[in-house]
Amino acid sequence: KAGVTQTPRYLIKTRGQQVTLSCSPISGHRSVSWYQQTPGQGLQFLFEYFSETQRNKGNFPGRFSGRQFSNSRSEMNVSTLELGDSALYLCASSLPLRGGPSNEQFFGPGTRLTVL
Amino acid sequence: EDQVTQSPEALRLQEGESSSLNCSYTVSGLRGLFWYRQDPGKGPEFLFTLYSAGEEKEKERLKATLTKKESFLHITAPKPEDSATYLCAVQAPSGNTGKLIFGQGTTLQVKP
Repeated sequence: KAGVTQTPRYLIKTRGQQVTLSCSPISGHRSVSWYQQTPGQGLQFLFEYFSETQRNKGNFPGRFSGRQFSNSRSEMNVSTLELGDSALYLCASSLPLRGGPSNEQFFGPGTRLTVL
Repeated sequence: EDQVTQSPEALRLQEGESSSLNCSYTVSGLRGLFWYRQDPGKGPEFLFTLYSAGEEKEKERLKATLTKKESFLHITAPKPEDSATYLCAVQAPSGNTGKLIFGQGTTLQVKP
């Protein structure tokens, strides 16, 4: 069974640009969560999507947005990039129990974003 | 505020030297505690889920336990390939959400 895939794996952008990252969940998983990982802050929750609806959002500015498609694939977008946005962006998918809270989350390899 | 604290930050062991990693948490109603392993440059790999105090889970040389305030990841007779960062996370209790709150991790190095 294929795992979570994320594209691209590496990305270099300059300040002020915008970027779109993609995540394909494990087949059958309907919940997708996004996290930002940095050496200083660790893993921080960005947002979660379930059935094309944002179910929860972390404490990040509005420059960070996302969406989910009908096939459960998800994208996140960061506009007006700042140097501090350099991080590993991780996507995780899970199989919610009867539409309820997600249980185990399975992570993709991440997208390493560098902002110059 | 929901919080997860892991200790120690770093741990060096000799091959075969057993030890434990600690994860203490403060959440208003635990719905699940998760352990992950992360290798450099990779995404976290799921290890265990624990739901209630007294629960234990085992996998090869790893054993996770849970009390009302903390969880332990016991590593028995570790091998160099167990070297990684071990992350603990709790599921946010509020609402119908899959949000995980992570600790900062314990970086384990096992020397041959």
